[in-house]
Amino acid sequence: GAVVSQHPSWVICKSGTSVKIECRSLDFQATTMFWYRQFPKQSLMLMATSNEGSKATYEQGVEKDKFLINHASLTLSTLTVTSAHPEDSSFYICSASLAGPVREQYFGPGTRLTVT
Amino acid sequence: GESVGLHLPTLSVQEGDNSIINCAYSNSASDYFIWYKQESGKGPQFIIDIRSNMDKRQGQRVTVLLNKTVKHLSLQIAATQPGDSAVYFCAETKGAAGNKLTFGGGTRVLVKP
Repeated sequence: GAVVSQHPSWVICKSGTSVKIECRSLDFQATTMFWYRQFPKQSLMLMATSNEGSKATYEQGVEKDKFLINHASLTLSTLTVTSAHPEDSSFYICSASLAGPVREQYFGPGTRLTVT
Repeated sequence: GESVGLHLPTLSVQEGDNSIINCAYSNSASDYFIWYKQESGKGPQFIIDIRSNMDKRQGQRVTVLLNKTVKHLSLQIAATQPGDSAVYFCAETKGAAGNKLTFGGGTRVLVKP
């Protein structure tokens, strides 16, 4: 089946620094990738939709200058949390959409970000 | 905005019994619904899906029921096993699974031995 990976799986950073999270579709080309955020004991909240070669579409309330998304190829999207603060600590999950008539969506394993 | 919600945040079930997880959705335009299982520290895992032109779909040990009249979705797990312990989310979208998904609040299932 289609596999989506994320790197790193967990990261600890200091306030004010930036952190980059990678999302890769390992065995298929993803026309669209999605980035979600999940706080403890809560549901997944969509942050943005990323299409290869174009600017990401952010959901209402998500700061595009703080959460930079780049989708440079059909197999890689990156999320950069800029000037991280403790309130940015969360579980970040990406998913990739397989092109085709069915357009399945596959999820990555998530990245745990802790900002100290 | 429109959302998908759940009635029960936690469900405790005896091993071997059947589990029923419920979900209410409010977007009448949604025509594709998916159930996901999420284990601690992992991403969501696809369980089963159903389109709005169906009211029931069965998989291996799982059944999804859709009642469009009352905008209600349920997931039934037969003979619940310890490995079924996880958080279950319903999600809705329009058109295809590759489109934007709106997730429900989630239900934690705890399987007692």
